[in-house]
Amino acid sequence: AQSVTQPDIHITVSEGASLELRCNYSYGATPYLFWYVQSPGQGLQLLLKYFSGDTLVQGIKGFEAEFKRSQSSFNLRKPSVHWSDAAEYFCAVAANTGNQFYFGTGTSLTVIP
Amino acid sequence: ETGVTQSPTHLIKTRGQQVTLRCSSQSGHNTVSWYQQALGQGPQFIFQYYREEENGRGNFPPRFSGLQFPNYSSELNVNALELDDSALYLCASSQGAYSGNTIYFGEGSWLTVV
Repeated sequence: AQSVTQPDIHITVSEGASLELRCNYSYGATPYLFWYVQSPGQGLQLLLKYFSGDTLVQGIKGFEAEFKRSQSSFNLRKPSVHWSDAAEYFCAVAANTGNQFYFGTGTSLTVIP
Repeated sequence: ETGVTQSPTHLIKTRGQQVTLRCSSQSGHNTVSWYQQALGQGPQFIFQYYREEENGRGNFPPRFSGLQFPNYSSELNVNALELDDSALYLCASSQGAYSGNTIYFGEGSWLTVV
């Protein structure tokens, strides 16, 4: 069965600093991988997704993620964080033949001035 | 704005009662998925409806049921509410049931069971 682990429950970074959020997945084949962001009181917004091909994926709001099959990881990065990036971030995996997403427990990001 | 609207946004129910949550999918989308997000957790898949038929179900008991209408809007019904049902219920719509299709989430319905 698919599963996702986000080891960091909460991360605090200074505005302008770089960011990396970790995600490890469990799946037998090549999965579909996603990062979503959830602001307080809001639904989930898709940041980026990986299906196949280039392992470095560019998303919205300046985010990128790298798929590393050998490490079963799909870490999210941003070179320079803005105060508006403070939110909850969820990594998700889906089977490439399936129809449901499995989400991690999320990482809460705080940005300090 | 994703075009997915959910109602009500907040509600409080008593243990043992029944609740119906509603979702209007984005125009042109024929698939609706429902997720439960407990406080401090990631969303968990409840079930999916594709062209008015249930098309997959997560690990939720039968008292969680749903419907999809000809206009592809959807309802989630929960009977015999328990305290642990308190959560944010998210609806997501897509064009097609395949996980490779982009899904769009609504802002959710907050359910509190007391």
